[in-house]
Formats: sequence, structure tokens, C-alpha cells
Amino acid sequence: GAVVSQHPSWVICKSGTSVKIECRSLDFQATTMFWYRQFPKQSLMLMATSNEGSKATYEQGVEKDKFLINHASLTLSTLTVTSAHPEDSSFYICSARMSSGQPQHFGDGTRLSIL
Amino acid sequence: QKEVEQDPGPLSVPEGAIVSLNCTYSNSAFQYFMWYRQYSRKGPELLMYTYSSGNKEDGRFTAQVDKSSKYISLFIRDSQPSDSATYLCAMKEAGNNRKLIWGLGTSLAVNP
Repeated sequence: GAVVSQHPSWVICKSGTSVKIECRSLDFQATTMFWYRQFPKQSLMLMATSNEGSKATYEQGVEKDKFLINHASLTLSTLTVTSAHPEDSSFYICSARMSSGQPQHFGDGTRLSIL
Repeated sequence: QKEVEQDPGPLSVPEGAIVSLNCTYSNSAFQYFMWYRQYSRKGPELLMYTYSSGNKEDGRFTAQVDKSSKYISLFIRDSQPSDSATYLCAMKEAGNNRKLIWGLGTSLAVNP
């Protein structure tokens, strides 16, 4: 149980393109979803927290107009990287949690490469 | 000083060995403790989830939390080459808006 699906797993696109990443909880309802970024050989860096039906809460230093998050249902959250540039290239990972006292379950990540 | 300290390794052991992975922390308010396993180019996979102090066992894995020493451990018995991965500890305070605080991860290689 507690499966989180993330799509796409890998995307390569030109600079200036907007890219949408989907995160779905397949077998549970997620009241909260999280978006992380991970650089090589480093731990996960939280970008934002989203609760279903509410605006996302962004961590300090993360541009909300750059990284648009939508959490429209209890099983789906999307991250859109707008006007992506090479410095946005990274490994983006989502997670989902049923409730406050429950652990986060992670998707398999999206490798984003901006040329 | 970081809130959570974890030796990045790498740690290399022969197949069948008992592996001990550890994290120390400074925030006495942490109540939830987790161990995740992350394979290369994949998302973290939850291995163990513990609330407060004590031991928890699941198959070949045992997690220990010592809140008095601010120290958590993960033991892997009869280690297998498929256990080769990065192991991340994470912890958080109680409360809905508390975020996970992560260790850097320990890279483990189990050699056949």
C-alpha cells in the first residue's frame, strides 16, 4: 500500500519551456503533498507543501511564480516549472501523506534537464 | 551545527554482514523518526517509522530510537547486495505544519 506515482520520470526540453510534473497517490487519499528538489549527492530540499484545496506554502527562497503548484484533489498534485532555464535542471520528487501523524510516501522522482 | 548529523560514508560490507547506520540530532522536540532507502535515480522508500523512543523490527531491519542520547540507529541483518543504496534518516516534531528534517544520507555497498 501507500503508492505514489510521479510522471514523467525524465524530461528534456529547451530553455523557456514550461514543464508540468504530476504526482498521484494511487491507493490512499493525501491531505498533504510535498515537493522536493534534490541535487547530486545531497539530501532532499523541501520546496513547498500543499494541502488539498488550499494554496501551497513555499519555503524561503523558492519562487512561487516560477514553481506553480496545484493540489486540486486528494490524489493529485502538479508542479509546473514555468519558463524553465538550465539552472532549473534537477531531480524533483513529490511525496504524499494521509494525515499529520503519518509518514510521507515518495514518488520515483522526475529528472528535469533544460538545454 | 546541523539539526541532524549523518555520516555520508561510503560504507562497504561483505554480503551477510550486520550493518549499523546512525544519526544524531540536537532538537529534543523531535517525536517522529524515519528511515528511508533511496536507490540511484529513484525516490526514497520508507523502511521504518517510529514514534518516540524504543525499538521496532520489520524483517531484517531494526530501528532504535534513544531520545535521551538523541541518537537513532538502523540495523540490517544478513545484508544483501540488493541493500546497496543510500539510507536517509529523517525526523520531525509533532504538529501538522512541522517539516521533515533530513540527514545527508549514508551510502552503503554490500559486496557479494
